[in-house]
Amino acid sequence: AQSVTQPDIHITVSEGASLELRCNYSYGATPYLFWYVQSPGQGLQLLLKYFSGDTLVQGIKGFEAEFKRSQSSFNLRKPSVHWSDAAEYFCAVGAGSGYALNFGKGTSLLVTP
Amino acid sequence: DAEITQSPRHKITETGRQVTLACHQTWNHNNMFWYRQDLGHGLRLIHYSYGVHDTNKGEVSDGYSVSRSNTEDLPLTLESAASSQTSVYFCASSPDRTYGYTFGSGTRLTVV
Repeated sequence: AQSVTQPDIHITVSEGASLELRCNYSYGATPYLFWYVQSPGQGLQLLLKYFSGDTLVQGIKGFEAEFKRSQSSFNLRKPSVHWSDAAEYFCAVGAGSGYALNFGKGTSLLVTP
Repeated sequence: DAEITQSPRHKITETGRQVTLACHQTWNHNNMFWYRQDLGHGLRLIHYSYGVHDTNKGEVSDGYSVSRSNTEDLPLTLESAASSQTSVYFCASSPDRTYGYTFGSGTRLTVV
């Protein structure tokens, strides 16, 4: 069955430290991959996406993600976290001819001073 | 500017009542989606539409229905509201599979 897994429910990092949020997927076809961010009480905003080409993609707010087919992963990274990055982060995957996305359960990021 | 709006932002209703949540987009996107967000479950797909008069069931469609009479609107109806349908509901639209979604701000529904 198709699935998206975000292994970490909560992550705490210090401001200025680096960040990596993990996302693993299980899909038979070449996937379309997305990361979204949700601030408290808000809707979801697209951070970045991958569907072909260079496996390292750059997004907004200084985020990047790397697609690793051999590991079925699409991990999100940021070199230096800011307090304003505290939010819920969702990985989403689509595949095949459909447009609907399957979302992971999310990772809640807490940033400490 | 183009946008996607959901209404109402908050709603409290009683068990057994019919409830309709509105979603309106001015992006002219063919594809529209409804998700519910619950703690510990992330976002789960309820229904989606790829164009006028097209509707499809998602992962958690029981107790919900949608209709698509024009490009701009995809209302979500709870036929007989249940406490298990207390949730935050998000509508999204997309022009194609590589673009990603544009989300509305959500509707928080409480069924008492």
